[in-house]
Amino acid sequence: DTAVSQTPKYLVTQMGNDKSIKCEQNLGHDTMYWYKQDSKKFLKIMFSYNNKELIINETVPNRFSPKSPDKAHLNLHINSLELGDSAVYFCASSPGRTGPTYGYTFGSGTRLTVV
Amino acid sequence: AQSVTQPDIHITVSEGASLELRCNYSYGATPYLFWYVQSPGQGLQLLLKYFSGDTLVQGIKGFEAEFKRSQSSFNLRKPSVHWSDAAEYFCAVAPYGNKLVFGAGTILRVKS
Repeated sequence: DTAVSQTPKYLVTQMGNDKSIKCEQNLGHDTMYWYKQDSKKFLKIMFSYNNKELIINETVPNRFSPKSPDKAHLNLHINSLELGDSAVYFCASSPGRTGPTYGYTFGSGTRLTVV
Repeated sequence: AQSVTQPDIHITVSEGASLELRCNYSYGATPYLFWYVQSPGQGLQLLLKYFSGDTLVQGIKGFEAEFKRSQSSFNLRKPSVHWSDAAEYFCAVAPYGNKLVFGAGTILRVKS
């Protein structure tokens, strides 16, 4: 009955590898997000999709590619992983296009460690 | 530069004592304002939010926050802290659209 679920919870991989993180929400929300929390716990938005349409694309290396097959799923694929990609990645969802006014629901995060 | 500032990285309070966590923002207009809590290994949970109206807002778990326009502040308070409140607290603003901008967080430690 988890509202926003991310897999995997932990991911350890070597530099240069390609990896994906999956996110699914069962809340019927229209908008989904990826946030990155760095080692200093600073949270910053990366991407946002509304009904499979990309609506926010922050200054993120093009090695990061989000994919939304339907409005309940938003996956994050990362190519050629670098040490600096190590962080906790949070998925979130919200009911409307203007998410903050309705509040976000966050997943529990994926801790990515690149070695 | 537009930003959200939480000046206290760590705060330690005794169980039963009152708590105030500070948050200041620097945006021209009053943005939407939020407080989130993150327990270790967990995602973020919304405590409360302010959009307009009464400047004192009540949230979950006995928390409240007061918006002060003149000080560009949105400080979080709780009259009596419980050991289970130990966590990291994030202030966030939504200056426009649906993007949340977070402060750097304040770690709350509760001593018995």
